[in-house]
Amino acid sequence: SAVISQKPSRDICQRGTSLTIQCQVDSQVTMMFWYRQQPGQSLTLIATANQGSEATYESGFVIDKFPISRPNLTFSTLTVSNMSPEDSSIYLCSVSGGYQETQYFGPGTRLLVL
Amino acid sequence: EDKVVQSPLSLVVHEGDTVTLNCSYEVTNFRSLLWYKQEKKAPTFLFMLTSSGIEKKSGRLSSILDKKELFSILNITATQTGDSAVYLCAVDPGANNLFFGTGTRLTVIP
Repeated sequence: SAVISQKPSRDICQRGTSLTIQCQVDSQVTMMFWYRQQPGQSLTLIATANQGSEATYESGFVIDKFPISRPNLTFSTLTVSNMSPEDSSIYLCSVSGGYQETQYFGPGTRLLVL
Repeated sequence: EDKVVQSPLSLVVHEGDTVTLNCSYEVTNFRSLLWYKQEKKAPTFLFMLTSSGIEKKSGRLSSILDKKELFSILNITATQTGDSAVYLCAVDPGANNLFFGTGTRLTVIP
């Protein structure tokens, strides 16, 4: 499976500010995804990061709030914009690959918004 | 609406016990069902199941899928404290958007 890294691993931010999370994969992958896991909840897909085109967002998530970049096949960023305490979550990137296109997850970014 | 339901929500057992975790699903499209173990932040992949009745096994962990009854179970035998984690079940409907259950929190006490 691919080796996935995320930066930062955690951060504490003030409301109204923005944070960009980076996801780096050690091999080229077709599909990259961004998930959110709010406290005590399960994972929810935010969007699929498409290389060379705009991300595909799931219902309830919009580009203005969560802009995503995917400049190449090994890297993606997720920005959490104009943060509020409700954005406090773990943010996870995942990639699809390997046998039967299993999804593998990065180590996650724990975000606390004050 | 697609949904994945896991039970129990939490479970406390003693080392050496055997546990069975349940996952039922209702989805419009189905390609596979996946099990993950989440200890801190990152879910780590355990199994992918696509066919009914075929058990997947890895050490003390095993899992099986019933596509007729729309459920899967994850068994852990001879549990150890290192098995303590949240176990997540997810369904892949084939569009790469995994639907996750809320997880089962397993605590193994010495």
